[in-house]
Amino acid sequence: SQKIEQNSEALNIQEGKTATLTCNYTNYSPAYLQWYRQDPGRGPVFLLLIRENEKEKRKERLKVTFDTTLKQSLFHITASQPADSATYLCALLSYNTDKLIFGTGTRLQVFP
Amino acid sequence: GAGVSQSPRYKVAKRGQDVALRCDPISGHVSLFWYQQALGQGPEFLTYFQNEAQLDKSGLPSDRFFAERPEGSVSTLKIQRTQQEDSAVYLCASSFEAGQTTYNEQFFGPGTRLTVL
Repeated sequence: SQKIEQNSEALNIQEGKTATLTCNYTNYSPAYLQWYRQDPGRGPVFLLLIRENEKEKRKERLKVTFDTTLKQSLFHITASQPADSATYLCALLSYNTDKLIFGTGTRLQVFP
Repeated sequence: GAGVSQSPRYKVAKRGQDVALRCDPISGHVSLFWYQQALGQGPEFLTYFQNEAQLDKSGLPSDRFFAERPEGSVSTLKIQRTQQEDSAVYLCASSFEAGQTTYNEQFFGPGTRLTVL
C-alpha cells in the first residue's frame, strides 16, 4: 500500500540545537516533496519544495534533503528557537496520483 | 486581507443537518483545493477546481459531499445529512497557477472546524 510516514511522537529539543524531522514514503513515484508548518488552529504554511532530481535545498535556517533511493526526506532546522515550535508536515506529489498527499505531521517543541 | 479566508471558523451541526462551508481564495488564484483534516492527521485531498471547473473530485468521501465554484473565485463545500464521521477541520487552499501537478505553492486558509453531534 502507499503511505507517507512521519514520526508521530513529538520531538523535543533545546533551543540552539538542530532539529531533524523525517519523512518516509513507500510505493510512490514522487515528482516533488514539500514541507509545511502548521500551528494550532491554523492552516499549513508552505516552507520548502524539493524536486525529485534535487538532493538538497536550503532556505535561511531550513534545509531539506531528498533521497529517492532511500525513499526519504529529512527536514532540518538549525539554531532552533522556541518560535519554531509547531507541527511540520511533509507532502508528496506523485506521478501516480496527481494530487498532494500529506504525512501525519511531527510536532516539534523547542524549549529554552 | 491578502490571504485565503474561510467561514465559519467553527460549525456545530446535529446529525442529519446540511452544512455549507465557504472559501474565499486569494484574488487571481486559478486553482482551489479542499482538504479534510482529522485530529492528529495530515490534510486529505477532497477536490480540485481550476477556475470554475471541478477537475478532480476523487477525494470526496460520499455523494453527500458537494463542492462548487460557480464564478471561479469563491467556493462552497456542502455536506448533506451530516454524520459524526464528518467531524473534522475542512481546509481550503489556493494557488496562482493552473494544475495539480505543477510546482505550485498552495496557500491555505485557517480551516472550518466542523463538529457533528
